[in-house]
Amino acid sequence: DSGVTQTPKHLITATGQRVTLRCSPRSGDLSVYWYQQSLDQGLQFLIQYYNGEERAKGNILERFSAQQFPDLHSELNLSSLELGDSALYFCASSVDGRGEAFFGQGTRLTVV
Amino acid sequence: QQQVKQSPQSLIVQKGGISIINCAYENTAFDYFPWYQQFPGKGPALLIAIRPDVSEKKEGRFTISFNKSAKQFSLHIMDSQPGDSATYFCAASYGNSGYALNFGKGTSLLVTP
Repeated sequence: DSGVTQTPKHLITATGQRVTLRCSPRSGDLSVYWYQQSLDQGLQFLIQYYNGEERAKGNILERFSAQQFPDLHSELNLSSLELGDSALYFCASSVDGRGEAFFGQGTRLTVV
Repeated sequence: QQQVKQSPQSLIVQKGGISIINCAYENTAFDYFPWYQQFPGKGPALLIAIRPDVSEKKEGRFTISFNKSAKQFSLHIMDSQPGDSATYFCAASYGNSGYALNFGKGTSLLVTP
């Protein structure tokens, strides 16, 4: 167990809908990363937050957004969902955002 | 574009053998190189990592070899066990990108009894 908690574990929703994925980092970790894993694209970095502030942005679509709250948990919001958004979404946390990152168990999103 | 190239895509090794997975990168700004292990239905688990000031790091049966001039690094799993059967990902990152990980495509390892 990495200590990173993601909810929900599974999510099935229809095209055009909006969902929110939640991540609680390890105790004491200030940095949260979001990644998407799909068969064709592999593991892709989406966005990073450090102590509530956005620090780095990767291949994140404009339909997606994220935030990190004062208690350091983070939420990834996915809107206007398309079939191609079906994937595993992982959150990872790091104590100081300087390397060592620990992943949660992921949320499997299925868009039908 | 794939910033980290990983090979082979799949690997079959007999129990007790050595598993070797290779990665190459282009961006010389990378200064952190971790390896992750992922079992089906689970998140990637950090296995071992290296920074470019050393050429080798060993933790138990797992060793990273790093060649800065060739921009290559590899994972060696000694005395491979059936429980090591998983997908292995190499990654690279650097400070100006917040240490966001650039992953290789992964290697599916099967260790046969």
